[in-house]
Amino acid sequence: NFMLTQPHSVSESPGKTITISCTGSSGNIASNYVQWYQQRPGSAPTTVIYEDKLRPSGVPDRFSGSIDRAANSASLTISGLKTEDEADYYCQSYRDNNVVFGGGTKVTVL
Amino acid sequence: QVQLQESGPGLVKPSETLSLTCSVSDDSISSYYWSWIRQSPGKGLEWIGYISYNGNTNYNPSLKSRVTISIDRSKNQFSLNLSSVTAADTAVYYCAGSVRILEWLFLPGWFDLWGQGTLVTVSS
Repeated sequence: NFMLTQPHSVSESPGKTITISCTGSSGNIASNYVQWYQQRPGSAPTTVIYEDKLRPSGVPDRFSGSIDRAANSASLTISGLKTEDEADYYCQSYRDNNVVFGGGTKVTVL
Repeated sequence: QVQLQESGPGLVKPSETLSLTCSVSDDSISSYYWSWIRQSPGKGLEWIGYISYNGNTNYNPSLKSRVTISIDRSKNQFSLNLSSVTAADTAVYYCAGSVRILEWLFLPGWFDLWGQGTLVTVSS
């Protein structure tokens, strides 16, 4: 089965920049769109990036998405970290007639 | 802003059918593609399936044999039935809406709308 692999956790200080990777287990991750969702404790997920690199209205430009074809991975970069960015982040894509989510990355702002 | 609200039993017995309904706050039910997504306690997200406003469906292949999603446009609602449940089906169930479908995949685009989620526990 196709899987999207994310680091379990990332920690960094306020004001710094982090990058979360999302690596496809096979095939070409660039062949389908990748989304990124933020989920704060006790809340439903919200979209921070859709279609690889687009931001919904209301999402600050500190959030950006990209695709690295050579590494077969997608990345979410959060710059100027704020304490409010502390949350779980999930990537999502498509494969084999299915919507597939990554396992999630817990971001801690120290 | 369109709001979604899940409703249904919080406790279901093993081997029975889990039934949930998602109520859409206004007439936007014809403007989105509607999915069910679940999250097992302390774990990640799993897409269950989707339905379009005209009743077309597509399901997660691993759940397809047990899942039925239906829509009632007159009530601004869509529903999930998951049969033959086991403890592994214990999860928070979310309804979600996508503003577009990826036509070449017949799968929903990004999930733009989410309900607050409802916990369903499978236990005798």
